[in-house]
Amino acid sequence: GAVVSQHPSRVICKSGTSVKIECRSLDFQATTMFWYRQFPKQSLMLMATSNEGSKATYEQGVEKDKFLINHASLTLSTLTVTSAHPEDSSFYICSAHRDPSTEAFFGQGTRLTVV
Amino acid sequence: QQQVKQSPQSLIVQKGGIPIINCAYENTAFDYFPWYQQFPGKGPALLIAIRPDVSEKKEGRFTISFNKSAKQFSLHIMDSQPGDSATYFCAASNGAGNMLTFGGGTRLMVKP
Repeated sequence: GAVVSQHPSRVICKSGTSVKIECRSLDFQATTMFWYRQFPKQSLMLMATSNEGSKATYEQGVEKDKFLINHASLTLSTLTVTSAHPEDSSFYICSAHRDPSTEAFFGQGTRLTVV
Repeated sequence: QQQVKQSPQSLIVQKGGIPIINCAYENTAFDYFPWYQQFPGKGPALLIAIRPDVSEKKEGRFTISFNKSAKQFSLHIMDSQPGDSATYFCAASNGAGNMLTFGGGTRLMVKP
């Protein structure tokens, strides 16, 4: 099946710093990628839709200036958590679709811990 | 986001049992219903998916039953194994390429 790679898998950062998470579609091009956030023992909550070559679409309640999304190519979307705080600690997951008619393939997730 | 309600939150079965996980949705525009399996610290992996034009789909030990009029769908795992112990999520979207709305998840434990 299609492969979506996320990097890093784990990151620990200090409060106030920024962290960049990469999501790559390894064997297909994805015009749209999605970023989710998952707290322990909870479901996945959509944060934003990343569109190649245009601005991301953020879900209600998600601060676009805090969670910067860049989808600069058809195989790479990045999520930057700016001025991170301990409450931003979570599991961040991206997904991509091979084309508009196919299922979502998920990355392996990134565990962010802000200390 | 529109809701997808999933139950139960947790489930324990013996090896060989048939756990059943149920989901209900509200948005009649949804036309794609996948199930995902997630192990701790990993991203979700697609198990099986169904569209509303069929009432049942089977892939290996996994079966989806779909009731369009009731706006409900369920996952059955036949001959469950300890390796099936994971969290299962149902989801829905209006088109396979669109954003998914996830259910709350079910933590399944299959005892040896």
